[in-house]
Amino acid sequence: DGGITQSPKYLFRKEGQNVTLSCEQNLNHDAMYWYRQDPGQGLRLIYYSQIVNDFQKGDIAEGYSVSREKKESFPLTVTSAQKNPTAFYLCASSGWGVKKTGELFFGEGSRLTVL
Amino acid sequence: QQQVKQSPQSLIVQKGGISIINCAYENTAFDYFPWYQQFPGKGPALLIAIRPDVSEKKEGRFTISFNKSAKQFSLHIMDSQPGDSATYFCAASKAGNTGKLIFGQGTTLQVKP
Repeated sequence: DGGITQSPKYLFRKEGQNVTLSCEQNLNHDAMYWYRQDPGQGLRLIYYSQIVNDFQKGDIAEGYSVSREKKESFPLTVTSAQKNPTAFYLCASSGWGVKKTGELFFGEGSRLTVL
Repeated sequence: QQQVKQSPQSLIVQKGGISIINCAYENTAFDYFPWYQQFPGKGPALLIAIRPDVSEKKEGRFTISFNKSAKQFSLHIMDSQPGDSATYFCAASKAGNTGKLIFGQGTTLQVKP
């Protein structure tokens, strides 16, 4: 089945460590996104990429980095510079769905906890 | 200008009742307004979406009402069911990038049997 696969589902990190979250899609979508979800704040855009080898900062990019070397993959690195990294991270891609409109297809998320 | 404000934060409805969630936006450049549904531990999924050239869109029990002059839109869930219990997010984006969404804060809906 086509979809977005995120790993790991749960991750614990010590302060000062970088961690990379994986996101793979087999939907053949050009555009991919990383959102961060915190209770009571909705989802906020971290980075997005509309084509391979190109990406743009979203609203809260500080302390994060991404790469887009392949169409299918868009990993997110949470660096030690991110001051409050504990959150639920969602990867998405956008394409033409059954509802006949451009829509975001989300993965099941990665929950990062900093100890 | 970039915010989307959503209310209420939480909502409890009896089975068979109507659930109503409201959103307001500031940026008149927004032209795509989707609603996403999220179950615990899962990613959000598109429920229904509207563009500002229509005032209402209905899909089954779910209806979006859109008021362009007031810069407000709302989700109505008719005949609410326990299976509708989830978190609902409204969102908005500008023309040309329906994936770069500004999300509301979310509403947690509980439908009691």
